[in-house]
Amino acid sequence: DVKVTQSSRYLVKRTGEKVFLECVQDMDHENMFWYRQDPGLGLRLIYFSYDVKMKEKGDIPEGYSVSREKKERFSLILESASTNQTSMYLCASATTGVGNTIYFGEGSWLTVV
Amino acid sequence: AQKVTQAQTEISVVEKEDVTLDCVYETRDTTYYLFWYKQPPSGELVFLIRRNSFDEQNEISGRYSWNFQKSTSSFNFTITASQVVDSAVYFCALKGGMRFGAGTRLTVKP
Repeated sequence: DVKVTQSSRYLVKRTGEKVFLECVQDMDHENMFWYRQDPGLGLRLIYFSYDVKMKEKGDIPEGYSVSREKKERFSLILESASTNQTSMYLCASATTGVGNTIYFGEGSWLTVV
Repeated sequence: AQKVTQAQTEISVVEKEDVTLDCVYETRDTTYYLFWYKQPPSGELVFLIRRNSFDEQNEISGRYSWNFQKSTSSFNFTITASQVVDSAVYFCALKGGMRFGAGTRLTVKP
């Protein structure tokens, strides 16, 4: 079974803090994604990566950056957390190919106070 | 532009009722894939089905069935004889652009 693991399930951070959300997948997938989920807005794509050290902006990249130094790990970074970044963050991975299923982690609930 | 619309925000049914979740999509791609995912209260998204744009045959899996109609750009999901365990948020997705709909929260009451 594919496993996508997000390091933190629940986090509370202060405004202005730098926040790291870590994601690891164990199936050698080329593609990895970060989404945020907000009520009424569904899942919105923040960034995705199709290879090590490669990244592409999604629909809402502002305020975020990512890092992919190793194939299995994809990190989401909030350089200076703000209250409007309070959300559920979902990491996902998939093999290459437009039809391949995306596998999701359990999600990380981030609250910025 | 790629877009997925799930017009139903919330649906509530009584157990054993049939329920249909609507999904309408927009894409200029000629080849694309559509997905349905289930998100139970635990939060993790669970893959339900994938359908490619060349296959309009409807699919049935137990109590679940999917109706793909390219002419109306719709990919609707029906649960027959709903059960309390079906309560979840359901997302329709267009993989070509990795776009998801806003989700439909289904509540099945005993």
